[in-house]
Amino acid sequence: QLQLQESGPGLVRPSETLSLTCTVSGGSISGSSPYYWGWIRQPPGKGLEWMGSIYYSGSTYYNPSLKSRVTISVDTSKNQFSLKLTSVTAADTAVYYCARRFDYRHSLDYWGQGTLVTVSS
Amino acid sequence: QSALTQPPSASGSPGQSVTISCTGTSSDVGGYNYVSWYQQHPGKAPKLMIYDVTKRPSGVPDRFSGSKSGNTASLTVSGLQAEDEADYYCNSYGGSNHFEVFGGGTKLTVL
Repeated sequence: QLQLQESGPGLVRPSETLSLTCTVSGGSISGSSPYYWGWIRQPPGKGLEWMGSIYYSGSTYYNPSLKSRVTISVDTSKNQFSLKLTSVTAADTAVYYCARRFDYRHSLDYWGQGTLVTVSS
Repeated sequence: QSALTQPPSASGSPGQSVTISCTGTSSDVGGYNYVSWYQQHPGKAPKLMIYDVTKRPSGVPDRFSGSKSGNTASLTVSGLQAEDEADYYCNSYGGSNHFEVFGGGTKLTVL
């Protein structure tokens, strides 16, 4: 059974960089396959926002509203992919989820449990 | 690109049916049959309920069904049960560069 697990600091100072890693177990992140790996966030009490995704080859796709601040990378040797969000503000306080997108079904079929990141001094 | 539009709340009594709408544009919902729906219970990760507008993943009860007309997709929950009480989010392919957009979410209450 595929599992995804987010990890990283739960508190980030304003103007600094938020960094999270998603570790995938029970399946490989690499190889030619119809899977993309993405990040979605949810501010407290609010809805979901797609941040971006990456293919195992390194091709990346970002939400235009965040594009200038977001970087997603992949480390196939560790079966991990990562998120960096620069110049954070309180508005970036959210639960951050990693998820797998199954391209044949155009949907996010496996999700991590989510990790709360608070931006505060 | 703007979020898809969902009603903030919906409700129904046990055994009844309820339909949740998700309105986008011809660039997302109306342009592709790539709408998915997610159920989220408090403090939990979203769970895929419907993909490609009408299809159910293995393990999702057939009480959940999806449809689409023009720029509006819908999720119908039939035979409401207490455990269906949750937030529901629609998602659509946005047409360019693998862009995806979510709806604002609908809180379903089972009365």
